[in-house]
Amino acid sequence: NAGVTQTPKFQVLKTGQSMTLQCAQDMNHNSMYWYRQDPGMGLRLIYYSASEGTTDKGEVPNGYNVSRLNKREFSLRLESAAPSQTSVYFCASSEGGSGIVSPLHFGNGTRLTVT
Amino acid sequence: AQSVTQLGSHVSVSEGALVLLRCNYSSSVPPYLFWYVQYPNQGLQLLLKYTSAATLVKGINGFEAEFKKSETSFHLTKPSAHMSDAAEYFCAVSDRESSASKIIFGSGTRLSIRP
Repeated sequence: NAGVTQTPKFQVLKTGQSMTLQCAQDMNHNSMYWYRQDPGMGLRLIYYSASEGTTDKGEVPNGYNVSRLNKREFSLRLESAAPSQTSVYFCASSEGGSGIVSPLHFGNGTRLTVT
Repeated sequence: AQSVTQLGSHVSVSEGALVLLRCNYSSSVPPYLFWYVQYPNQGLQLLLKYTSAATLVKGINGFEAEFKKSETSFHLTKPSAHMSDAAEYFCAVSDRESSASKIIFGSGTRLSIRP
């Protein structure tokens, strides 16, 4: 009964390094999301994938790329990390689809620090 | 584009008192609306959702929210606060006109409960 699994849980990067955050869900959900959470700013949508094969920009996409590898997996890549990307990153999924309202299921987050 | 505004980044109430957390939305048509709760060091969990079936929505843990189109509001209430309600609460919106998959969160309200 894993739900949404994110790896790693913690990561420290130096400015300019790259890394990929992994996310997988086992609920056969269509839609997947990446959010970042910063104090006083709530959750901000980075990218989302309404269905397998599609990705769209959210509120704060600059400095990030995503890949919807298959229906289960949605990765977030930082090509050249910056201190402003220090944050807690959450992956989420929902049953999905355009026109279908369903709740988000969240992973436990990845705490990223960029020095 | 849709958005939500949560009034008050921090609300403190006494145990047993009424809880009222405010959320106002901006959307050209009545959107889908959600309340989520986040306990320390965890991901978010759905409390309740509005999808137009009824304006008063009941959720888990005794919470409810009322959709008021005239006020563009979706405030969260609970008649009697418990210590276990201490957490951060997020209002979220999904626009019916565009992709229902794009879900935007407010900045959050931290609820503290005084003994």
